Amino acid sequence: AQSVTQLDSHVSVSEGTPVLLRCNYSSSYSPSLFWYVQHPNKGLQLLLKYTSAATLVKGINGFEAEFKKSETSFHLTKPSAHMSDAAEYFCVVRPKDQGGKLIFGQGTELSVKP
Amino acid sequence: GAGVSQSPRYKVAKRGQDVALRCDPISGHVSLFWYQQALGQGPEFLTYFQNEAQLDKSGLPSDRFFAERPEGSVSTLKIQRTQQEDSAVYLCASAIGGETQYFGPGTRLLVL
Repeated sequence: AQSVTQLDSHVSVSEGTPVLLRCNYSSSYSPSLFWYVQHPNKGLQLLLKYTSAATLVKGINGFEAEFKKSETSFHLTKPSAHMSDAAEYFCVVRPKDQGGKLIFGQGTELSVKP
Repeated sequence: GAGVSQSPRYKVAKRGQDVALRCDPISGHVSLFWYQQALGQGPEFLTYFQNEAQLDKSGLPSDRFFAERPEGSVSTLKIQRTQQEDSAVYLCASAIGGETQYFGPGTRLLVL
């Protein structure tokens, strides 16, 4: 079965410092992977997706993620955190041949200190 | 419309009541998904439609949960005889085919 594990339930950074949110996946083949962000009282928004093209994926708002098959990882990074980045982040896998349903990680809450 | 809309945004039900949650997908989106998000958890898949056909309902937690999409557009998730454990945010998402899913704001259900 395919799954994702987010290694940190909460990450706190200072504004202007780098962000690293860690995600490992479990899959017997190259999966489709996503990062979604959820701001309080707002819908889930897609940050970026990996679908077996370039291993370094650039997303919105300066975020990017690198697919590393050897490490089964898909960590999310941003060079410089902004206060508006404070939110819940979900690493997501979409299994093949299952109609497109998404399997979410438990989420990482990102706090940004002034 | 511009995005996926859901109604109501908040619903309080007494245990045992039936509730109906509505999802209006983005116009032209063939695929529609329902997810349940418990407090402090990631969303969990409930069911999936392609047009009016319900192709996967493996995530529905019990036979009290029922979803339909009769004309291939608007979908309704119905929960019969609600229980306290049904309290959660119910998310709807739509997509063209199986690609990127666009999520609505969710319906927050509280069962007392």
